[in-house]
Amino acid sequence: GENVEQHPSTLSVQEGDSAVIKCTYSDSASNYFPWYKQELGKRPQLIIDIRSNVGEKKDQRIAVTLNKTAKHFSLHITETQPEDSAVYFCAAFMNTGFQKLVFGTGTRLLVSP
Amino acid sequence: KAGVTQTPRYLIKTRGQQVTLSCSPISGHRSVSWYQQTPGQGLQFLFEYFSETQRNKGNFPGRFSGRQFSNSRSEMNVSTLELGDSALYLCASSTQLDVNSPLHFGNGTRLTVT
Repeated sequence: GENVEQHPSTLSVQEGDSAVIKCTYSDSASNYFPWYKQELGKRPQLIIDIRSNVGEKKDQRIAVTLNKTAKHFSLHITETQPEDSAVYFCAAFMNTGFQKLVFGTGTRLLVSP
Repeated sequence: KAGVTQTPRYLIKTRGQQVTLSCSPISGHRSVSWYQQTPGQGLQFLFEYFSETQRNKGNFPGRFSGRQFSNSRSEMNVSTLELGDSALYLCASSTQLDVNSPLHFGNGTRLTVT
């Protein structure tokens, strides 16, 4: 079925540490993988995305890696700051039947000063 | 460009009533998707419209419906409300739902059913 699993559900780190969030997807035909950040009471905002023709993408302190063979992708945040505290959602574009974006269940990241 | 606009922001309804939520996409975006967000279930896909046609539908009962107008604005309707329908309803727009078009979300409508 169409499924995106995300781990961990909660993650607590100290300011300056790195944080890693991992996702696996079920549809081997998936070819687009965005990550969204949702701060408390606000809308999800796209922070980075990766397409299946690349294995890694970086944007300052944020990076995403993709392993198509294993059907998993990860978000890496380095030098975390308190303002990185939020819920992070991974998603995969499903091509099975109807085309749609399926989201993981979210990771609540807490960065302590 | 103005972002995705959803109205109203908050809504309180009683079981059995119906509700209509509105979404205005970013100018030039023709695809509008709707998601239900709850603490336990995350973001669940409801449906997606493109050029006034529903292209995709999630696993929700027929009480949930939607439509899109010629100006790309979209509405979703929930009839015979149940307590479990309490959630944040998010609308997202894109130029076209494919690998080259990320979703841009609105601030959502928080629906409370009592």
